[in-house]
Amino acid sequence: AQTVTQSQPEMSVQEAETVTLSCTYDTSENNYYLFWYKQPPSRQMILVIRQEAYKQQNATENRFSVNFQKAAKSFSLKISDSQLGDTAMYFCAFMNMDSNYQLIWGAGTKLIIKP
Amino acid sequence: DTAVSQTPKYLVTQMGNDKSIKCEQNLGHDTMYWYKQDSKKFLKIMFSYNNKELIINETVPNRFSPKSPDKAHLNLHINSLELGDSAVYFCASSHTGQGPYGYTFGSGTRLTVV
Repeated sequence: AQTVTQSQPEMSVQEAETVTLSCTYDTSENNYYLFWYKQPPSRQMILVIRQEAYKQQNATENRFSVNFQKAAKSFSLKISDSQLGDTAMYFCAFMNMDSNYQLIWGAGTKLIIKP
Repeated sequence: DTAVSQTPKYLVTQMGNDKSIKCEQNLGHDTMYWYKQDSKKFLKIMFSYNNKELIINETVPNRFSPKSPDKAHLNLHINSLELGDSAVYFCASSHTGQGPYGYTFGSGTRLTVV
């Protein structure tokens, strides 16, 4: 069975700093996708970034980028120039293409950006 | 227009009551989901429907019954509510035919059973 592990329950950094959230996963599959979702205090779940397992190039979306290490089964999220609005829960998720597209979720990391 | 809309956003009810949460998506997605997020923020899938057919039915009490009248709607009915049902319930949708672009979530329904 696939599992997703986020080892950092909570992190806090100063505004404008760079922060990296860790995520590891366990699977024997080759065809899968990885995601980072953000859940601010408003409760809305927002897709931050997505990575296809077959792509070696790391995905980037403005200030958000990932470090995808397929052999190590690691998928960390880097937030550059952090902003107060980045304060949220961040969830790492895994999708097996051969399993009804079900998302397997990590437990989340609470990120606090301090002014 | 809201892509995935859930109603109500907040629901406070007494133990033993029956309640429903409605979900509608206007994205043309073919798959819809119900997730439960507990007090520790852990997300757990409950049900998934693809084109009105149930494809994922995790171990949840049979007091929970999903209903999908069409592929744009997936409602959740809960009978005989218990204190432990208090949580945030999220509806989500995706389109499997266009590749896994992740899910689009509704804004959640906070259910409080007193």
